[in-house]
Amino acid sequence: DQQVKQNSPSLSVQEGRISILNCDYTNSMFDYFLWYKKYPAEGPTFLISISSIKDKNEDGRFTVFLNKSAKHLSLHIVPSQPGDSAVYFCAARGAQKLVFGQGTRLTINP
Amino acid sequence: GAGVSQSPRYKVAKRGQDVALRCDPISGHVSLFWYQQALGQGPEFLTYFQNEAQLDKSGLPSDRFFAERPEGSVSTLKIQRTQQEDSAVYLCASSFSLSYNEQFFGPGTRLTVL
Repeated sequence: DQQVKQNSPSLSVQEGRISILNCDYTNSMFDYFLWYKKYPAEGPTFLISISSIKDKNEDGRFTVFLNKSAKHLSLHIVPSQPGDSAVYFCAARGAQKLVFGQGTRLTINP
Repeated sequence: GAGVSQSPRYKVAKRGQDVALRCDPISGHVSLFWYQQALGQGPEFLTYFQNEAQLDKSGLPSDRFFAERPEGSVSTLKIQRTQQEDSAVYLCASSFSLSYNEQFFGPGTRLTVL
């Protein structure tokens, strides 16, 4: 069973607009959530995270929102820039290990 | 370098061969994790260590997979008698400690079994 799901395989956004990436999870025992960004032929790079006791965390252009009742989190990037084009993975931590979604490929168009 | 390094970056093996994949974590990081990423999927947990102790190996797909970290720093993931379904990118990550939330990933080793 897929405990962490990213239902959108791809997303295309115009430069300067807001990008919203979504993630759903099923396990209420997850205590920490993370977003990673991945370029081809590189490992995932940590982007931003949020504890399960919070509902929002902001870092520059990146904001993560957590809705525990809906078991849903989202990553907002504003304004979107061409360098943001990459695959984004959400991950949830449970029992020390990370459980990843399938990823969403974000393309920022000029 | 300051990041996690992995070698080799690419490995081609004939079915039935044994392979060994190496991970050098960030200096001082106590925890080390191995993940397997199939094409088009997210990484999937294999095993993790705290220092030299392997605390969880529940994600290893079969007894052909073996990981070690004898001195609590460098780790090796060994796959015996490789099969085509073992083809994937193998990612290593390290963390300052188990209670530290972020894991920092290496570039991965892409294994292709022919």
